[in-house]
Amino acid sequence: DVKVTQSSRYLVKRTGEKVFLECVQDMDHENMFWYRQDPGLGLRLIYFSYDVKMKEKGDIPEGYSVSREKKERFSLILESASTNQTSMYLCASSWAGQRYSQPQHFGDGTRLSIL
Amino acid sequence: AQSVTQLDSQVPVFEEAPVELRCNYSSSVSVYLFWYVQYPNQGLQLLLKYLSGSTLVKSINGFEAEFNKSQTSFHLRKPSVHISDTAEYFCAVEGSYIPTFGRGTSLIVHP
Repeated sequence: DVKVTQSSRYLVKRTGEKVFLECVQDMDHENMFWYRQDPGLGLRLIYFSYDVKMKEKGDIPEGYSVSREKKERFSLILESASTNQTSMYLCASSWAGQRYSQPQHFGDGTRLSIL
Repeated sequence: AQSVTQLDSQVPVFEEAPVELRCNYSSSVSVYLFWYVQYPNQGLQLLLKYLSGSTLVKSINGFEAEFNKSQTSFHLRKPSVHISDTAEYFCAVEGSYIPTFGRGTSLIVHP
């Protein structure tokens, strides 16, 4: 079974802090994604990566950056945390073998609170 | 561009009753369609998918969905729900490499 592991289930940080969310997958997937999930808004894509050191902006990249130095690890960085970034963050990965139609595998999420 | 509309934000139902969760999509290209389920305090899990071929797809736990191209719909159904089906359900469409998710439907099964 594919395992996507997010380093923290719950995290509390202060406004202005630099916050790192880590995600590791164990299935050699090429694609990795970061989403935020808010009630009534569903999942919104922040960033994705289709290869090591490659990244693409999603729908809501403002205030975030990402890093992918190794294939299995994809980090989300909040440069200067703000209260409107309080949310559930979900990491996902998928195989890119046929480019399309590969379902995503999700981690259990990190519930981040910015005070 | 592609988009997904889940018509109901919440669907309450009694145990053993049938249920339908509605999903409509729009896309300018051929699409692949997915339903994911999210149980409390967990990430999303793939429930079923339509890639090609038969328009009726089924999951191992009794859910099924039918791809209707003319109505651009992919509704999820189950003839008899259990308490354990209580969860958030997300419809997703992929036609241009990156999937787009609907806002989710909360299925609440009452005893």
